[in-house]
Amino acid sequence: DIQMTQSPSTVSASVGDRVTITCRASQGISRWLAWYQQKPGKAPKLLIYATSSLQSGVPSRFSGSGSVTDFTLTISSLQSEDFATYYCQQANVFPYTFGQGTKLEI
Amino acid sequence: QLQLQESGPGLVKPSETLSLTCTVSGGSINNSIYYWGWIRQPPGKGLEWIGTGYYSGSTYYNPSLTGRVTISVDTSKNQFSLKLTSVTAADTAVYYCARRVAAVGSLDYWGQGTLVTVSS
Repeated sequence: DIQMTQSPSTVSASVGDRVTITCRASQGISRWLAWYQQKPGKAPKLLIYATSSLQSGVPSRFSGSGSVTDFTLTISSLQSEDFATYYCQQANVFPYTFGQGTKLEI
Repeated sequence: QLQLQESGPGLVKPSETLSLTCTVSGGSINNSIYYWGWIRQPPGKGLEWIGTGYYSGSTYYNPSLTGRVTISVDTSKNQFSLKLTSVTAADTAVYYCARRVAAVGSLDYWGQGTLVTVSS
């Protein structure tokens, strides 16, 4: 299985900050990488697919970049509703696998 | 607006079979551009892909669960289901159903999730 490693595991930030979360794949996955946001007790919500495509309805302060093995999710100006846990997911090779999650806290 | 809703027992005894159904509303499951999947999340832990089914009946399962898992798609009822046999406490998790976009592999719609506890 492809291992997805996110860093950091936890990040502390304030409203208005710019935050970057990274995700590294144990082997190349081309551009088949998605990002999700999960709040406590809720299902994950798709933010970004295919590395950099913004899912419909997701604010433009979220952006994704990267290729092959190294990817990033950037939140340009944190809002209070962005404090959550973020997961990356590779969609290149079965079984699809997720990163361990990055908790974004105040 | 597409909606997915999981249903099934919240408590299953060890060695028995976990059975869940996902009912899709607001869209047809009989659509070639989507797959229908199950993902689980043990309490306080990360996400694990269980497998996916297609309207044609084809399936893919996570090799870590092969032999115990069956996913089936019922286009007449607009539902798909999950069966996991010989469960243990390690199978205790929130189980989510979700729609996977075939072309890009991402999960764009999710059910709310249902907690299944394995305990005697």
